[in-house]
Amino acid sequence: AQSVTQPDARVTVSEGASLQLRCKYSYSGTPYLFWYVQYPRQGLQLLLKYYSGDPVVQGVNGFEAEFSKSNSSFHLRKASVHWSDSAVYFCVLRRTGNYKYVFGAGTRLKVIA
Amino acid sequence: EAGVTQSPRYAVLQEGQAVSFWCDPISGHDTLYWYQQPRDQGPQLLVYFRDEAVIDNSQLPSDRFSAVRPKGTNSTLKIQSAKQGDTATYLCASRGGQDTQYFGPGTRLLVL
Repeated sequence: AQSVTQPDARVTVSEGASLQLRCKYSYSGTPYLFWYVQYPRQGLQLLLKYYSGDPVVQGVNGFEAEFSKSNSSFHLRKASVHWSDSAVYFCVLRRTGNYKYVFGAGTRLKVIA
Repeated sequence: EAGVTQSPRYAVLQEGQAVSFWCDPISGHDTLYWYQQPRDQGPQLLVYFRDEAVIDNSQLPSDRFSAVRPKGTNSTLKIQSAKQGDTATYLCASRGGQDTQYFGPGTRLLVL
């Protein structure tokens, strides 16, 4: 069975600071990995996805994520956060062979002035 | 392009009552998902369809929940006899040819 762990339920950072949200996955095969964001009163939206190749993938709004097979991780990063980045971020895994997605519990990001 | 629409947006029930949720996916998307998202948790898959066929309903509590997508377009999720533990947001998502899910705004259910 596969699973996704986001160890930090809540993260608070100052505007302009850098950000890393952690994600660990458990899956014996080759995973397809995603980050989705849920803004207040909006539906979930895709930030980025990773299939293979370069372990660093770029997403929208300056977000990037780095895949590490040895660490079973897929951490999300941003160099300088803005107050509008305040939202809940979900790490998501899909196994090969089907289109069933497994979500982590989410990390609630608060950006303060 | 219109997004995924869901109705109602909110529902408040007493235990034992029934409720239906409706989802209209993005036109042309063949795959439709229903998720349950309890407060402060991630979405958990209940069921998903490709066209009108159920592909996976292994996490759907079949004694009280049912889901249909009769023409491969709109879908309905029904809870026959709601329990307090069903309190959550119910999300619908659709997927076309790419590996991207498009989510609706959700239906927030409170069971008293």
